[in-house]
Amino acid sequence: DGGITQSPKYLFRKEGQNVTLSCEQNLNHDAMYWYRQDPGQGLRLIYYSQIVNDFQKGDIAEGYSVSREKKESFPLTVTSAQKNPTAFYLCASSTPYRGGLGTEAFFGQGTRLTVV
Amino acid sequence: DQQVKQNSPSLSVQEGRISILNCDYTNSMFDYFLWYKKYPAEGPTFLISISSIKDKNEDGRFTVFLNKSAKHLSLHIVPSQPGDSAVYFCAASGSSAGNMLTFGGGTRLMVKP
Repeated sequence: DGGITQSPKYLFRKEGQNVTLSCEQNLNHDAMYWYRQDPGQGLRLIYYSQIVNDFQKGDIAEGYSVSREKKESFPLTVTSAQKNPTAFYLCASSTPYRGGLGTEAFFGQGTRLTVV
Repeated sequence: DQQVKQNSPSLSVQEGRISILNCDYTNSMFDYFLWYKKYPAEGPTFLISISSIKDKNEDGRFTVFLNKSAKHLSLHIVPSQPGDSAVYFCAASGSSAGNMLTFGGGTRLMVKP
């Protein structure tokens, strides 16, 4: 089955620690994304990568870092510099742009990170 | 500047009635629009889409309407069911954005039995 897998589903972190969220896809998509969702809020883009070994900051990249060493994997590290890391994190990948068919994003099931 | 906006953060509808969720966009280069449905603690799932060459697309109880001149799209759910209660996101893509989707802020739909 093709899809996106995020792990773990729940994650607890002590203040001052870095933590890495995993995202793996077997859809053969070039583009991958990380979003953050806070209660009652929409999806805010943290980082995105359109090709291996390349990535760009989204709207709220401060306190986060990513790597894209393999097409299938796009891990997100939440660093101690992130002031308010408790949130629901979503990873996605998207099809290439297909002219009149646009692009479609596929999401993982999310990771809920809680700072204790 | 938000390019895709959902101005109603929440909507409450009685079971069996019509639910209408609205979305406005500002970028005239967008040519493909999607709706996603999201339950709590889960990832969004694709619901329905429409290309800018159409003004309507139906899939069962779900219909999306596109008004290009007004840069407005809407999602109609008829009849609404309690299981439709979720957050709905509209999204847009276009040639200038390549494979990037721009999402609206979401509308929480509550269907009351």
